[in-house]
Amino acid sequence: EPEVTQTPSHQVTQMGQEVILRCVPISNHLYFYWYRQILGQKVEFLVSFYNNEISEKSEIFDDQFSVERPDGSNFTLKIRSTKLEDSAMYFCASSDGRVAPGELFFGEGSRLTVL
Amino acid sequence: RKEVEQDPGPFNVPEGATVAFNCTYSNSASQSFFWYRQDCRKEPKLLMSVYSSGNEDGRFTAQLNRASQYISLLIRDSKLSDSATYLCVVNGKDSSYKLIFGSGTRLLVRP
Repeated sequence: EPEVTQTPSHQVTQMGQEVILRCVPISNHLYFYWYRQILGQKVEFLVSFYNNEISEKSEIFDDQFSVERPDGSNFTLKIRSTKLEDSAMYFCASSDGRVAPGELFFGEGSRLTVL
Repeated sequence: RKEVEQDPGPFNVPEGATVAFNCTYSNSASQSFFWYRQDCRKEPKLLMSVYSSGNEDGRFTAQLNRASQYISLLIRDSKLSDSATYLCVVNGKDSSYKLIFGSGTRLLVRP
């Protein structure tokens, strides 16, 4: 069964460092997303990406965040200068867009710990 | 008012029980509604979409009341493997692909 894969599964970094989280969405999917979940809290939308550009982003997704699809398979989330409050599980998701919005396939997540 | 509101639980039920979860949402322009399931420290997985007419998938039944902005999930004949957190999810606005998640309702099914 096709799946969304994410790397790394866990990253520990120092405050102020840059972090890149990588995702390989399902190959025939057209819509890509990043969500995050701070421990014990709800899943929060960060950004959606379609046709090589951001289609929506949340208030959380400020200038410290960026996304990129550098080739035909990878979808990355970059945090330029990490803060303690960026510690969370980051989920990549994709959908083919043919069915209702919301039928997303999530990766297993990348846990980011900022010290 | 929270965008998507759920009773956090936990609901602690014996195997075979029927359990119901409720959810309310604040944005009347939302058009898409879902229940996702999340196991501890895992990714959310789609359980079922929720349609206006109500829909059933095996032991799971979902209902939507647009007038009350209320969504429900009924699980019949609970199994141990149903233990998880159930997330009520709506899209942000008409045609938006942004999903808004509730905080989830935790279900514990005991032997």
